[in-house]
Amino acid sequence: AQTVTQSQPEMSVQEAETVTLSCTYDTSENNYYLFWYKQPPSRQMILVIRQEAYKQQNATENRFSVNFQKAAKSFSLKISDSQLGDTAMYFCAFTFAYSGAGSYQLTFGKGTKLSVIP
Amino acid sequence: GAVVSQHPSWVICKSGTSVKIECRSLDFQATTMFWYRQFPKQSLMLMATSNEGSKATYEQGVEKDKFLINHASLTLSTLTVTSAHPEDSSFYICSASSGTDPYEQYFGPGTRLTVT
Repeated sequence: AQTVTQSQPEMSVQEAETVTLSCTYDTSENNYYLFWYKQPPSRQMILVIRQEAYKQQNATENRFSVNFQKAAKSFSLKISDSQLGDTAMYFCAFTFAYSGAGSYQLTFGKGTKLSVIP
Repeated sequence: GAVVSQHPSWVICKSGTSVKIECRSLDFQATTMFWYRQFPKQSLMLMATSNEGSKATYEQGVEKDKFLINHASLTLSTLTVTSAHPEDSSFYICSASSGTDPYEQYFGPGTRLTVT
C-alpha cells in the first residue's frame, strides 16, 4: 500500500517570505497523481495544486509551486510571498492513475500546520 | 464551479439515536463520492467510497451497519450514523469526483457531529 509522509508537523513563516513544505511518498506504481490540499480554520478542504506523475514539468499555481522529484518520491510545496490567508493545515495526497478497485481514493499525509506571522 | 455542499453543518444528537448527513454536488454529476472522518488535529480518514447506484465500499474497520451510505443519484449521497454513541462524535467530510476527471475530489464543508 502507498504511504504519504509529511515530516514537518508545524512550520511558521513571516509574511511575504517563502516557505517550503515537505512530502515524500512510497509506491511501486508508475502512474499516479499528487495533490496539495489546504484546510484553513474553517475546515473546508481546498485544492492548492496538482501534479501528474507522467509530467516532468513542475506544476505552478500563482504563488504556489511544487518540486516533484519522481525518482526520490518527493513532492514539496513552495509558497512564495506568504500571506496571512495562507495560515492553514496543508495535506499532501496521492492517488493511483488507474480505474479499478480502490481507484480514485486519496491517501493523505498527516499534515503540516503552517502559521504565517505578520 | 465544482461545488459540494453538506447538510447539516453541525448536529447534536442524543446517544442511541440516528442522524443523517447529506452531501450534494451542486453543479456537476458526481459519479463517485467519498466519506471521511477527521478527528481534531488529525488527517482525513477514508470511511467509504460510493458510486451512484451501487453499494458503498467500506474501508477496513468501518462498521457497515453503523455508517449507512446511500448514493441514490448523481448529485446526492447520504451518510446515516445509526445508534450513535459519544465515540461517534467527530467531523465528517464528504467529497465528490466527476466522470470527466475522476482523479480530482471536491470537498464539502464538513459536518460536526456531537453525540451527548
